[in-house]
Amino acid sequence: DAGVTQSPTHLIKTRGQHVTLRCSPISGHKSVSWYQQVLGQGPQFIFQYYEKEERGRGNFPDRFSARQFPNYSSELNVNALLLGDSALYLCASSFAAEEYTGELFFGEGSRLTVL
Amino acid sequence: DAKTTQPNSMESNEEEPVHLPCNHSTISGTDYIHWYRQLPSQGPEYVIHGLTSNVNNRMASLAIAEDRKSSTLILHRATLRDAAVYYCILRGSGGSNYKLTFGKGTLLTVNP
Repeated sequence: DAGVTQSPTHLIKTRGQHVTLRCSPISGHKSVSWYQQVLGQGPQFIFQYYEKEERGRGNFPDRFSARQFPNYSSELNVNALLLGDSALYLCASSFAAEEYTGELFFGEGSRLTVL
Repeated sequence: DAKTTQPNSMESNEEEPVHLPCNHSTISGTDYIHWYRQLPSQGPEYVIHGLTSNVNNRMASLAIAEDRKSSTLILHRATLRDAAVYYCILRGSGGSNYKLTFGKGTLLTVNP
């Protein structure tokens, strides 16, 4: 079975541009989360979506937005890119959201470089 | 969020056991203890989790202190492939359990 897939794997943007990152969860998983990992740090939570609704949001500016589609895939959008947005963006899926305490399955990430 | 404290780095030799400690003195009664690891250039990978009792799976064992204020991830025979950053994370069962709060983790180096 395919794991969590993310695209693109690498991309380079310039300041002020916007970017769209995509994630396909494991088949049957209805919950998708997004994390940002800057170099040398652990991943930081951005969003969680479950059944197409936002269930949680981390401490990120409104330039960051996301959505989940009927097939449970998800997009993360970042507008007005800043140099500090350069990071590895990770998507994670899980079977359930509320009261679920089991494992998350992470993709390999999309590495964004902002010049 | 309840915090965890881990050593920045540890070193081990191949085929020897490794004990990775984690302190979580402010853990609440409903917090699960999760461990993830991140190999170079990959996303985090689930290792194991537990609530109160010690847990074993094919990857590792999790030993939880009786007062739950600390835990230890045990790799029984380290291999070169186990070289990674290991994260100890508390995950509640309440309203905020949708997210994982990662710290900096422990960088494990395995010597051949």
